[in-house]
Amino acid sequence: DQQVKQNSPSLSVQEGRISILNCDYTNSMFDYFLWYKKYPAEGPTFLISISSIKDKNEDGRFTVFLNKSAKHLSLHIVPSQPGDSAVYFCAARDIPGGGNKLTFGTGTQLKVEL
Amino acid sequence: GAGVSQSPSNKVTEKGKDVELRCDPISGHTALYWYRQRLGQGLEFLIYFQGNSAPDKSGLPSDRFSAERTGESVSTLTIQRTQQEDSAVYLCASSLRPTGPYSGNTIYFGEGSWLTVV
Repeated sequence: DQQVKQNSPSLSVQEGRISILNCDYTNSMFDYFLWYKKYPAEGPTFLISISSIKDKNEDGRFTVFLNKSAKHLSLHIVPSQPGDSAVYFCAARDIPGGGNKLTFGTGTQLKVEL
Repeated sequence: GAGVSQSPSNKVTEKGKDVELRCDPISGHTALYWYRQRLGQGLEFLIYFQGNSAPDKSGLPSDRFSAERTGESVSTLTIQRTQQEDSAVYLCASSLRPTGPYSGNTIYFGEGSWLTVV
């Protein structure tokens, strides 16, 4: 049962343009969402998060949008840079049901081309 | 150190042997997690320790897998009688105690232990 889904395994974007990574979830009890970035042979690094009581959080070039009614969140990167090329994981937390552990999606490989 | 430290960084073992993977969390972090990522797949939850509470073992794939944590420090993940499907990168992470619903505390990952079973 995949509770967090990233349906696009890969995305290719030109440098300077916007990258939009999508994530869908099924568990309405998720209260907190995070995005992680992972380079090859490294551990995931935290990028940005959003509480389920908000619908937008922005940090520099990165903005996360949450649509609770649609159980959908997205990560916007603008402008995209070649260094953003990595695998992006969406993750969600359900404190009552699971404590602070995160449920991850399967990831989207972003490639930013020159 | 400043981050989550894992050892060994790489391990090649023969099928049927036991392996131990070690994790040193960030100092002061009460929560510790083990995940794994098999080739081409997402991050799979294995086990979660929070302070002195009973660990959440719901993600361990079989009874060949076990993990221990001493207090709020080092954790060891043990895989007995390794199989080829155990080949993966095993990621340890740590965080502070969650402050409650709707508020977050970041979970920090180590570099991972790459396990290859031949």
